[in-house]
Amino acid sequence: AQSVTQLDSHVSVSEGTPVLLRCNYSSSYSPSLFWYVQHPNKGLQLLLKYTSAATLVKGINGFEAEFKKSETSFHLTKPSAHMSDAAEYFCVVSGSNTGTASKLTFGTGTRLQVTL
Amino acid sequence: NAGVTQTPKFQVLKTGQSMTLQCAQDMNHNSMYWYRQDPGMGLRLIYYSASEGTTDKGEVPNGYNVSRLNKREFSLRLESAAPSQTSVYFCASSELAGVAKNIQYFGAGTRLSVL
Repeated sequence: AQSVTQLDSHVSVSEGTPVLLRCNYSSSYSPSLFWYVQHPNKGLQLLLKYTSAATLVKGINGFEAEFKKSETSFHLTKPSAHMSDAAEYFCVVSGSNTGTASKLTFGTGTRLQVTL
Repeated sequence: NAGVTQTPKFQVLKTGQSMTLQCAQDMNHNSMYWYRQDPGMGLRLIYYSASEGTTDKGEVPNGYNVSRLNKREFSLRLESAAPSQTSVYFCASSELAGVAKNIQYFGAGTRLSVL
């Protein structure tokens, strides 16, 4: 079994300040972890993924995340927020494969608001 | 450069009506998925197809049927729509190869309202 908990449903930051979106996971398998972003009325876009290689993962648009097995966490960070970062962010775990399909478990999402 | 294409983008149904949501991918992926997204609940898997010719239930399959028409296309059917099926529906696909098989690529979604 696997699960994901996003610790904040809403985060508000000022433009130019750091972003921290928190995610904890639970998995019976060696997990793959992802962050997806969803802009208003759009589909989901992959930001970055962790698949048991380097624990610090760099993604698109300046985002990065660190896999910490001891803390079962995969927090998303960005040094300096931009207005265009305002969106919904989903932490996702995949660790259970049935046949050749992978099953993703989504967190409930964190809405990031960026203010001037 | 289309990726995953869903049609229609919006739909309004009356209770009891039926409809089919269409999904096609042009990435030669083996696996395809249907999710629904409801406020505060993230995405939940309805059905998936590991490969052409196979389909399996996900977390919330009741009230839905699917067809994997060929490798490219995976449709979702609501036989008798209910207000509880008002949601945003996303189709996704993934490859079959090493860790890449865990990356799913999403369509833009279908916004469905059932009155």
